[in-house]
This record gives sequence, structure tokens and C-alpha cells, in this order.
Amino acid sequence: DAKTTQPPSMDCAEGRAANLPCNHSTISGNEYVYWYRQIHSQGPQYIIHGLKNNETNEMASLIITEDRKSSTLILPHATLRDTAVYYCIVRSFQGAQKLVFGQGTRLTINP
Amino acid sequence: EAQVTQNPRYLITVTGKKLTVTCSQNMNHEYMSWYRQDPGLGLRQIYYSMNVEVTDKGDVPEGYKVSRKEKRNFPLILESPSPNQTSLYFCASSLGPANYEQYFGPGTRLTVT
Repeated sequence: DAKTTQPPSMDCAEGRAANLPCNHSTISGNEYVYWYRQIHSQGPQYIIHGLKNNETNEMASLIITEDRKSSTLILPHATLRDTAVYYCIVRSFQGAQKLVFGQGTRLTINP
Repeated sequence: EAQVTQNPRYLITVTGKKLTVTCSQNMNHEYMSWYRQDPGLGLRQIYYSMNVEVTDKGDVPEGYKVSRKEKRNFPLILESPSPNQTSLYFCASSLGPANYEQYFGPGTRLTVT
């Protein structure tokens, strides 16, 4: 599975869009990009995933560059409850039976 | 409500006293797994189960046992806990292997003295 690189921390003002970047320059053609978040020692929560096309759900949008070497998770109107550690994970459907969480990005939403 | 439940949520115990952390899911998921989370080490998989009676080791299985006698339950057993098993434990489940959306339980904070 491809390795990912995320900034260790980011800040965002409440009500603004939070844009979290992830680099995965060694991603291969059959690997998906997944995003999970963990709010202060709670269980990780699935957010969104995608392969090539941009994806949107009720929680967030995922923008994947055309060369698929990087992606951005967008929380369109961040609230204080979005303060969490966000993990970008690259996986193939033929990968090992586990999720490999890196260090993630600690996102702090400020009032 | 679709959920993964774990019990107990908090546990302080002594070295060598056998304990079981229960995990149950109500989503009819085939795949279940256990992770532990430690500062600086992130989340690491302990054991996983592809289906009833099918279990396999993850990255850090030493000192742990699991069983999958029913689809909904996947207990984690520490036969003789030691202080290095002090950690935050998460159970997770999904429709299929890890590449499906995984649902995590609320966590069990275990302290072994």
C-alpha cells in the first residue's frame, strides 16, 4: 500500500472551509484514498473514499488530482465538533486485512 | 442504530488476572478486528476475523486471544495481562475486509498495574 504524507497540524476558523491535504505520490492504479477521523480518543470514524473522481457526501468532499498523487479533504463549513485527527489512508481492495493509520493531521477549529 | 459496542469502557486490573473485553456489532458484518492505540505508535491491528470461526493474527497478537463463535461477537481475551498491554483498545467491523468502510467501537481504556 502506498505511503501517505500529511501535515501534522492545521488550524481553521469556525464556519470556514477546512482543506486537509494528503500526498500519496506512490499510489498505484488500483488503490483507493480513504479518510477517517478520530475525535479525542473516540473510535475512528469513516468520512469518505475515492479512486479517481471527486466525491462528496454529507460530511465532506474529496478532491483527487488528475495524476492521483495527492488529494484534499474539504469540510465545507467547519464547526468546533470537527476538531479531530484526520487520517488519509491509501488502500487497494487486494490489500492486507487491516487499516494502516499514519500520524494524521490534527485539525483544530477555532471559534 | 447501527453500532459497535465494547465492554467495559474502562478497566484497571493487576498483572496476571485474566480478563475479557467484549465486542458486539448489530450490522451483520462478516469482518471484525481489534486494534490497540498507543501514543506515538498509532493504531495497530491485534487480530481480525473474516467470518465465524475464522480468525487470524494482525501485527501485534502476542499476549492476546480471540474467538468468533457468533457473527455479532468478537471478544478479546488477555489470559495473563502485563503492564505493556496498558492501552486503548478498539474493536471494528465491516461488511468485508478492511477496504470497506469500517465501523469502530467507542474504545476500552485498559490499565494493567
